[in-house]
Amino acid sequence: DSGVTQTPKHLITATGQRVTLRCSPRSGDLSVYWYQQSLDQGLQFLIQYYNGEERAKGNILERFSAQQFPDLHSELNLSSLELGDSALYFCASSVATGHATGELFFGEGSRLTVL
Amino acid sequence: QQQVKQSPQSLIVQKGGISIINCAYENTAFDYFPWYQQFPGKGPALLIAIRPDVSEKKEGRFTISFNKSAKQFSLHIMDSQPGDSATYFCAAGIGAGSYQLTFGKGTKLSVIP
Repeated sequence: DSGVTQTPKHLITATGQRVTLRCSPRSGDLSVYWYQQSLDQGLQFLIQYYNGEERAKGNILERFSAQQFPDLHSELNLSSLELGDSALYFCASSVATGHATGELFFGEGSRLTVL
Repeated sequence: QQQVKQSPQSLIVQKGGISIINCAYENTAFDYFPWYQQFPGKGPALLIAIRPDVSEKKEGRFTISFNKSAKQFSLHIMDSQPGDSATYFCAAGIGAGSYQLTFGKGTKLSVIP
């Protein structure tokens, strides 16, 4: 158990809809990362938050947004969903940003299916 | 473009054999190279990592070999066991300011008895 909790584990929705994925990082971890895992693209970095502030952005679509709240949990919002958004979405956390151990602790993921 | 190319896509190894997975990168600014192991239904978990100031790092049966000039690194699993059957991801990151890792596409390893 990595200590990172993600909900829901599975989600099925229709095209055009909006969903919210939630992540609680390990106790004490200030950084939260979101990754998208699909069969053809592998693990793609979406966005990172550090202590409530956006720190880095990767290949995140404009239809997607995220935030980190004062209690350090994070939410990834996916809107106007398309079939191609079906994927496993992982949240990861780390102690800090910068020259720390570098280890990311991943949750078990939220599997999104768009029909 | 920051890319990490991983091969092979899948690998079948006999129990007791050596599993070798290779990765190549392009961005010379990368200064952190971890390997993650993922079992079905689970998130990736850090297996072993190396920084470019060393050419090899060994932890138990797992060894990373790093070739800075060739911009390549590899994972060797000695005495492979059925319990090692998983998907392995190499990754590369730039440490200063953020640990946004760029991952390879993964290698599905099957160790057969």
